[in-house]
Amino acid sequence: EVQVVESGGTLVQPGGSLRLSCAVSGFTLSDIWMTWVRQIPGKGLEWVANINRDGSETYYVDSVKGRFTISRDNAKNSLYLQINGLRVEDTAIYYCARGGYYTSWYWRSWGQGTLLTVSS
Amino acid sequence: DIQMTQSPPTLSASVGDRVTITCRASQSISSRLAWYQQRPGKAPKLLIYEASTLDSGVPSRLSGSGSGTEFTLTIASLQPDDFATYYCQQYNSNPSFGQGTKLEIK
Repeated sequence: EVQVVESGGTLVQPGGSLRLSCAVSGFTLSDIWMTWVRQIPGKGLEWVANINRDGSETYYVDSVKGRFTISRDNAKNSLYLQINGLRVEDTAIYYCARGGYYTSWYWRSWGQGTLLTVSS
Repeated sequence: DIQMTQSPPTLSASVGDRVTITCRASQSISSRLAWYQQRPGKAPKLLIYEASTLDSGVPSRLSGSGSGTEFTLTIASLQPDDFATYYCQQYNSNPSFGQGTKLEIK
């Protein structure tokens, strides 16, 4: 069974940094592109970042370029999202989602999400 | 960036009704469109991809159609499980979602 479990969300002050993690099981991570999607509570969904199978290619929504870094450790079955220069508008539930072998354009398997709150 | 616009934002209907949700793209996305269902407090669930292909296990009362810039999600006969929020998402370029349609019980 495919499982995706996010962690690391917490309350952080503006300007701070944080790393979100995503632990996966039930599939071989090195075979799969992965994605982060976020959702402001009660609002819509926003794609944040994609990473290819070996981590050599990354893609970001314009609003997070330069502040967010997606990475992975296939040996540890883990995906990460490093967030620097946190802003109030980064407050959201962050979901990790499983893509496909060749790309990650739509997502069948999602975690339960981890809530990041940015506030002073 | 491709903008996705869903209508209506809210839809009130009854069990057994046939409902349609529309999604429009700001430029052509061919058939690169997915639909998701999200229940409160839960992650989105993939329903349809490539505009009209039902994902495994999705009931056949749901259907998707369209190409280019206009797409629809139709539920033929609403069941209690169907009352949720629905999102369209394009993947012709960097992914983007519609703002959602909340399907409510009338």
